[in-house]
Amino acid sequence: GENVEQHPSTLSVQEGDSAVIKCTYSDSASNYFPWYKQELGKRPQLIIDIRSNVGEKKDQRIAVTLNKTAKHFSLHITETQPEDSAVYFCAASMGGGFKTIFGAGTRLFVKA
Amino acid sequence: GAVVSQHPSWVICKSGTSVKIECRSLDFQATTMFWYRQFPKQSLMLMATSNEGSKATYEQGVEKDKFLINHASLTLSTLTVTSAHPEDSSFYICSARDGSGHGETQYFGPGTRLLVL
Repeated sequence: GENVEQHPSTLSVQEGDSAVIKCTYSDSASNYFPWYKQELGKRPQLIIDIRSNVGEKKDQRIAVTLNKTAKHFSLHITETQPEDSAVYFCAASMGGGFKTIFGAGTRLFVKA
Repeated sequence: GAVVSQHPSWVICKSGTSVKIECRSLDFQATTMFWYRQFPKQSLMLMATSNEGSKATYEQGVEKDKFLINHASLTLSTLTVTSAHPEDSSFYICSARDGSGHGETQYFGPGTRLLVL
């Protein structure tokens, strides 16, 4: 079955710097890769997603890149702000009725 | 955007009792719902996949007789923790997948914090 690995587990950056979180997946049939942000005690919120037919997607300060050949995908946050501090989860899915497999999460701290 | 509600938000119960948690998609039809368990500072552990009108598919190691899942309609799935014990204390989160469009995006409920005494 699918396995998603996420690194780093913890990331601390200075406000204004960029943050990069990387994930790898094992099942080449996966074609949908969402990223979720979870603040303490709250539900995971979808922040960006990418499908396998594109290599990059950007939404303001957030971007995601996908390398299907290497089975890597990454989240990039630029100009980080203290409110970006949260746990971020990557995930992989084949869509439809198939389950989504989540990475272990990255705890991001943005220091003011 | 798509909204998923979950009820109750927290529950405290005595050991041996059963607890039912409801997950509802409020503004879309959810062909598939998922139930997760999350321990402090850990990832989301998928317990089961629930498709409307059919039996749930449980992940390895999850007891289907202990965690009863019912998905009777396109907007409601329930998880019943039967004969709860202290080790069942956890944060349970459901998610619903919108059946329209690509049908891939999952929307999460706010979670239910269960404490079994």
